Amino acid sequence: AQSVTQLDSQVPVFEEAPVELRCNYSSSVSVYLFWYVQYPNQGLQLLLKYLSGSTLVESINGFEAEFNKSQTSFHLRKPSVHISDTAEYFCAAITGANNLFFGTGTRLTVIP
Amino acid sequence: ETGVTQSPTHLIKTRGQQVTLRCSSQSGHNTVSWYQQALGQGPQFIFQYYREEENGRGNFPPRFSGLQFPNYSSELNVNALELDDSALYLCASSPDEWGKAFFGQGTRLTVV
Repeated sequence: AQSVTQLDSQVPVFEEAPVELRCNYSSSVSVYLFWYVQYPNQGLQLLLKYLSGSTLVESINGFEAEFNKSQTSFHLRKPSVHISDTAEYFCAAITGANNLFFGTGTRLTVIP
Repeated sequence: ETGVTQSPTHLIKTRGQQVTLRCSSQSGHNTVSWYQQALGQGPQFIFQYYREEENGRGNFPPRFSGLQFPNYSSELNVNALELDDSALYLCASSPDEWGKAFFGQGTRLTVV
């Protein structure tokens, strides 16, 4: 069985401060990992993904995540957040069948 | 802009009724998946279609059914609506390239 755990349901952070959103996975098979962002009243947008190769992946808007097999983690980080980063962030995994298994989400609130 | 369009954007139904939600996928995307996102939760996989055949199903009862058409459109049908069916329903279309999914904006269904 597979599962994705997001340890923090809400993360408040001041503007220009660093942030880390935590994600752990549990899978008995190879896993591929994703971070999606959801702005209010909108669908999901892919932020970044790890399929293979370099364990450090980056998005175009300054987020990065590192696949850590030994710790079964795929934490999302950004060194300096902006007000516009306020959103819900979902960690997700694919194993076997090509469908996504999502965590419960972390609401990031950036405080001016 | 993901190229995936869902209709309607909002819908209110009465308990016991039936509902049909629609999704228009990107041309050439042979796979469509449907997800249910309850308030405050991550999306849950309902089922997936590949070239008009069901290709996987999550833990949802048979009253959730679907169709995929040759023109890259699809439907999610829910019979005998229950209050707990109130949620955001997301459609995702995928090309044959593994690990990619493009989400629509979702349909917000409220069952009263």
